[in-house]
Amino acid sequence: KNQVEQSPQSLIILEGKNCTLQCNYTVSPFSNLRWYKQDTGRGPVSLTIMTFSENTKSNGRYTATLDADTKQSSLHITASQLSDSASYICVVPPGDSNYQLIWGAGTKLIIKP
Amino acid sequence: NAGVMQNPRHLVRRRGQEARLRCSPMKGHSHVYWYRQLPEEGLKFMVYLQKENIIDESGMPKERFSAEFPKEGPSILRIQQVVRGDSAAYFCASSPNRGGPDTQYFGPGTRLTVL
Repeated sequence: KNQVEQSPQSLIILEGKNCTLQCNYTVSPFSNLRWYKQDTGRGPVSLTIMTFSENTKSNGRYTATLDADTKQSSLHITASQLSDSASYICVVPPGDSNYQLIWGAGTKLIIKP
Repeated sequence: NAGVMQNPRHLVRRRGQEARLRCSPMKGHSHVYWYRQLPEEGLKFMVYLQKENIIDESGMPKERFSAEFPKEGPSILRIQQVVRGDSAAYFCASSPNRGGPDTQYFGPGTRLTVL
């Protein structure tokens, strides 16, 4: 069964600190993996997309890693800001569909001043 | 260029009533996708539509739910005879073509509460 699991479910850190969010997936066949940021009351916004051949990809203070062998990904946020408070969702589309998306439940990140 | 627009943002219905959720895709986009998000869960695909066509409704409940994307006007997700379990956030996304998921742009969602 295609599944995406994320940990932790929620995380509270102080402003300026770093954090790492985890994603494990069992989606097959694998095509790519995406991280989305969802602010409260808003729709998801894409942060990064990683294909099978990419191990690391950065977008500003966000760095995503992918290990296709262990089917794990992480999202590292450096020098956190208050505006980083949001849910971060790992998404893996099944390789045999170019529009269906398998969504994780997300990690709710709270940045405290 | 306005983004994907959804209305209403919040909708309250009593059990048995009908809920109509609207989605206006981004200008130039002809593909619309509806997702449902239950509390503390990830988004679940419901239906994929193009103008006047339902392409994939494999995620739609078999009864009470229907969707359309007419030639003119917004896409409509209709839920008849709502029940408490229908309470959720419903997100619409649009894309300009049937590309990969990174071309889907999401609206702010409609939060449906069934009393």
